[in-house]
Parts: sequence; C-alpha cells; structure tokens
Amino acid sequence: GAVVSQHPSWVICKSGTSVKIECRSLDFQATTMFWYRQFPKQSLMLMATSNEGSKATYEQGVEKDKFLINHASLTLSTLTVTSAHPEDSSFYICSARGTSGGANNEQFFGPGTRLTVL
Amino acid sequence: KQEVTQIPAALSVPEGENLVLNCSFTDSAIYNLQWFRQDPGKGLTSLLLIQSSQREQTSGRLNASLDKSSGRSTLYIAASQPGDSATYLCAPTGGSTLGRLYFGRGTQLTVWP
Repeated sequence: GAVVSQHPSWVICKSGTSVKIECRSLDFQATTMFWYRQFPKQSLMLMATSNEGSKATYEQGVEKDKFLINHASLTLSTLTVTSAHPEDSSFYICSARGTSGGANNEQFFGPGTRLTVL
Repeated sequence: KQEVTQIPAALSVPEGENLVLNCSFTDSAIYNLQWFRQDPGKGLTSLLLIQSSQREQTSGRLNASLDKSSGRSTLYIAASQPGDSATYLCAPTGGSTLGRLYFGRGTQLTVWP
C-alpha cells in the first residue's frame, strides 16, 4: 500500500507555544488529506478535511483559528496547533487519499504524532 | 449522521481460532468500507477495502463481507495468531464528495499463545 509519513512522531511543548505537524504522502499524490485526533481508549475523531490549494473544512466544534491547516502541495499538509494548552495533548493522525477515483479511493494513514503540552 | 458500532468491544482468544468481528452502520449510502488495524500508540494500517458494489474482499487470512442494504460488515480472521493482537476498526466512507471515513470504537483483539 501507499505510504504516508508524519513528522514529528512525538513532541513535548510548553503551554502557550505553537506546534507544527507535517503529513506527507511519499509515493502518491493526495488531493485530499484528513486530520484526526484520538484520545486514550477512544476512536478517531475527524478534525478537518483539507484539499490541495483550498481552505480546509473543519468539523463542528473544531476551532479553525486554533488548528491551522495548510495543504500547499499534493504531497504535503501541515497542522499547526496554536497556543497549545494541556487539553490539546492527544494523538494526532493524518490520512491521505489519492487523486483518482474520488471518494472511492482507499485512504492511507500516517503513523501519528503524540503531542504532550506541559 | 453516520454512526458505527462494532461488536464485540473486546475479544481474547487462544491462537488458532477462527474469529468473527462485526460492524454495523446506520446510513447505507456509502461509497466503500475499509477495515483497519491499529497497534497501541501507532497509526492505522489498512487491511481491506470493499467498494459499495462488492460483497466481499479477501487478503490472506482475512475476509471481509459487506451487506450495504442492511448496514453490516463482517471481518473474518482465520487461524488467528498472537501477531493479530490489535484494535480492529471498520470505517464506512460517507456519501459526500469529500469521502470522509466514520469510525466506531473498534474491537480490541488479544490472541494468546
């Protein structure tokens, strides 16, 4: 299957700082990338959908000014958690879908980024 | 809104058993359905993708069936092994052009030697 990478794999930061997480599709072009958050023992919660070259679509209850998403190319999307607080500590996972076939395409997930805010 | 339920929530079995993991979803207007496994602290690994027009897909010891009209999918694992221990998630793809996935809480599987 296709490969999606995330960087960093884990990050610890102080409250009030901003953290950027990168999601890359390594061997395919991704028109659409998705960002999820997962709390311990919970399932994945979709935060936003990002399409290359356009603004991200955020799920209800997700603050777009706090979670900035940029999808500047067909292989890279970034999530920036601005002014992070301890309650933002979570496991953030991205997924990417290829350019052909539209919504029928399989989604491939990155390995996740563990964010801990002190 | 699509809701996904997976039964059982947890399963602990000795190796060698054939397993059945169930998934149900409330909105049958889906494009496809994916099964994933997630190891602790890791991302998701795609196991099988079933298009809405298909009834089943097979990969090695895994077989997934889909009954779209009744909102059900089943993952069969043959001859289970300790390496199969993980959380298994099913995720139908929604009816919008964005093709978002909807996740349930998964089935936590433990296969002991």
